[in-house]
Amino acid sequence: DIVMTQSPDSLAVSLGERATINCKSSQSVLYNSNNKNYLTWYQQKPGQPPKLLIYWASTRESGVPDRFSGSGSGTDFTLTISNLQAEDVAVYYCQQHYSLPLTFGGGTKVEIK
Amino acid sequence: EVQLVDSGGGLVQPGGSLRLSCAASGFSFSDSWMSWVRQAPGKGLEWVANIKQDGTKKYYVDSVKGRFTISRDNARNSLFLQMNSLSVEDTAVYYCARSPHTTEYNWFDPWGQGTLVIVSS
Repeated sequence: DIVMTQSPDSLAVSLGERATINCKSSQSVLYNSNNKNYLTWYQQKPGQPPKLLIYWASTRESGVPDRFSGSGSGTDFTLTISNLQAEDVAVYYCQQHYSLPLTFGGGTKVEIK
Repeated sequence: EVQLVDSGGGLVQPGGSLRLSCAASGFSFSDSWMSWVRQAPGKGLEWVANIKQDGTKKYYVDSVKGRFTISRDNARNSLFLQMNSLSVEDTAVYYCARSPHTTEYNWFDPWGQGTLVIVSS
């Protein structure tokens, strides 16, 4: 199984500042035949189901604000929230879909400082 | 509007069974891989199972193999999860989700609102 490790577990960021969340996979999730990273990011607010933010590691889902961006390749990935807004308070998860079982990181809780 | 409505959760004793349902609307259900994902109280997300468009391929996480069965009824735009031999470790909110990619190696969008399963004596 591919183990997804997120860091930090939680972080507090001032409004308008940048939040950076890391996700590391135990093996590469880069599929060489199409040069795509099989890595997805979700946002989960309290009492709500997760919401898709980014897929293929860096493609923003339609309607997601452009302050959310994804980067990285192979085994190391980053979700960046620039200009943090109050509505961004949530838990963020990465997920690999390179192999079964599909696995998630443990989540990173983002709060306002 | 794409919508998934989960139902069927509840309180069940260890060793018991439960059948979850998910009603889909607003998209071509019969053209979509579908999945179940669960979340234990206060914990992270765990993929449970997925099923191909025509129901001919099904995949499960090891911890539920032989106990859970995913199925679908494309005529009724519905997804199901039959859960047998339940244990306290199965206590979680269960979400159905569409898997937009064309294979079993998939992500999840959108998600249902979830249905809570509590396994307790």
